[in-house]
Amino acid sequence: AQTVTQSQPEMSVQEAETVTLSCTYDTSESNYYLFWYKQPPSRQMILVIRQEAYKQQNATENRFSVNFQKAAKSFSLKISDSQLGDTAMYFCAFRAGNYGQNFVFGPGTRLSVLP
Amino acid sequence: DGGITQSPKYLFRKEGQNVTLSCEQNLNHDAMYWYRQDPGQGLRLIYYSQIVNDFQKGDIAEGYSVSREKKESFPLTVTSAQKNPTAFYLCASIERTGNGATNEKLFFGSGTQLSVL
Repeated sequence: AQTVTQSQPEMSVQEAETVTLSCTYDTSESNYYLFWYKQPPSRQMILVIRQEAYKQQNATENRFSVNFQKAAKSFSLKISDSQLGDTAMYFCAFRAGNYGQNFVFGPGTRLSVLP
Repeated sequence: DGGITQSPKYLFRKEGQNVTLSCEQNLNHDAMYWYRQDPGQGLRLIYYSQIVNDFQKGDIAEGYSVSREKKESFPLTVTSAQKNPTAFYLCASIERTGNGATNEKLFFGSGTQLSVL
């Protein structure tokens, strides 16, 4: 079974600074997808970024980028130029590529952006 | 706009009572999911359905039941057998493409907070 670990329960960063959230996963699958979801105080889950395991290039979405290390099974999220609106819970998630496979979520990292 | 609607936003359950959480989607998605979220924990899968009239147990199905009579609807019943039902419940759906693979993006509803009186 796949597992997802987020070793940082809480983090904080000053506004405009850069922060990196860690995620590691365990799987024997070769084809899979990785995701970062954001859950602000409204508790609405929002997809931040996703990465296909077969792609070597790291995904980027505006201020959000990932560092995907397949051999190390590591998938960290970097937030540049942090904004107050980035304050949220961040969940790392894994999904095997076979049809019908479910998502596995990590326990989350609570990020606070400080003014 | 297309999306997933969960209702009610807040729900209170009395001891021994069954309650039903509603989840409706107009995204034409085949697969739907129910997750439970407790403070300090990630999302745990309760039930999922890949197609109408079919559903499967997730990791924590005990004390819950579902139905999938329509593609758009996937209600979750929290039964009296669920002794610790206080949690935030999220419904989600995923698109399935024609070749059998799935679009891997999960769409979420806004959630229901269930509390015990």
